Formats: sequence, structure tokens, C-alpha cells
Amino acid sequence: AQKVTQAQTEISVVEKEDVTLDCVYETRDTTYYLFWYKQPPSGELVFLIRRNSFDEQNEISGRYSWNFQKSTSSFNFTITASQVVDSAVYFCALSSGATNKLIFGTGTLLAVQP
Amino acid sequence: DTGVSQDPRHKITKRGQNVTFRCDPISEHNRLYWYRQTLGQGPEFLTYFQNEAQLEKSRLLSDRFSAERPKGSFSTLEIQRTEQGDSAMYLCASRKGGRANEQFFGPGTRLTVL
Repeated sequence: AQKVTQAQTEISVVEKEDVTLDCVYETRDTTYYLFWYKQPPSGELVFLIRRNSFDEQNEISGRYSWNFQKSTSSFNFTITASQVVDSAVYFCALSSGATNKLIFGTGTLLAVQP
Repeated sequence: DTGVSQDPRHKITKRGQNVTFRCDPISEHNRLYWYRQTLGQGPEFLTYFQNEAQLEKSRLLSDRFSAERPKGSFSTLEIQRTEQGDSAMYLCASRKGGRANEQFFGPGTRLTVL
């Protein structure tokens, strides 16, 4: 069975703090893809990043960075110098198989206080 | 670029009524997905289309639910004899062919069944 676990339900930080959102996944497939999506209060899911199972290279994009570790089945997301506009629910997701449907975690609500 | 659009954005209906939602994917995307999201949860997969063919349906999709994509472009999701438990956000997503491509989501249709 495939599963994504986001153990942190809510995180509250003060602006300019760094914050890491955890994601642990389970799959028996050898080829799979991992994603992070942001869902701001407006409700629309916004794609942030995709990694495939063969590429463990970490990635940095501006204030965002992602740490993919197959050994621990984790795909963590760090926001450096957080801003109020980062406040949202963040979802980690997994896809594999013929249809590549997304299996989402339950999300982490990030609140960045000014 | 025109993103994924969904109509209506909100629907309030009485229990037992039928409702239909529409999704217009990004024009060059031949893969289309429907998901359902309830409060505090991540989206859950409902069904998947490749062009006009419906290739996978979740067990969540009871007999009261039907989805179509008649010409491989827009899609409709119909719920017959709505129940209060159907109240949720219904999300549509589309992507290009090829396994690695990320899904882009529409703004969703929020259904409230009274």
C-alpha cells in the first residue's frame, strides 16, 4: 500500500525563522515521484516541486529547499527566512503506477506570524 | 497561460438532488483527474481519464457518482441523490502525458449538501 505521512499538523513560527516540514512515504514501487503542493487560504493547490525516485539530489529554489533521502523514505521541505505570505497548508504527495494518481498526506498548516 | 478552470465554484443543494460539476483542463493536457477534499484532509483520488477514456475509478466513487470526458477535453462529474456526506471540495487536475509530469489543479467546486 502507498502512504504519505505528515506528522506535523500545525506549525507556528515568527517571520524570518527557518522552518522544516516533514514528509515520510511508503511505497513498494521502485519508480515513483514525490511532490510538494501549497494550499493558501484561497484554496487552490499550487505545485512547488517534483522529484523522481532515481534522483536524490537536494534542490534549492530561492528560500525553499528540499531534502530527499531514500534510506529513510523522507522528503522534507525547508523554508528559510519565512515570510507571512508563506502561511498556508503544505501537502506532500506520492505518485506511481500507470495512472500516476497522487496520494496526499494530511497536510501541515504553517502559520507565520509577523 | 490559461489554467485549469472549474464551474461552479460553489454549489449548495438539498439532500437527494443531483448536481453536476464541470472541469476545463489546460488545453494541451490529455490526462485529467478528479479528487475530493474534506476539511482538514488532503485530497483523495476519485477518477482518472486519459483522453476520453476513464482508466481508473476509486472505491470512493460510489454508484451515485459518474464522470465523463466525452471528447477528451472538458470533463463532468455528476453526483446523483446527494447525501450530506458528499459535502466537500471537488478538485480537478490535469497534466501532460509522460509519467513525470506534475498535475495542475483548478480552484475546486465546494459542494454543500443541506
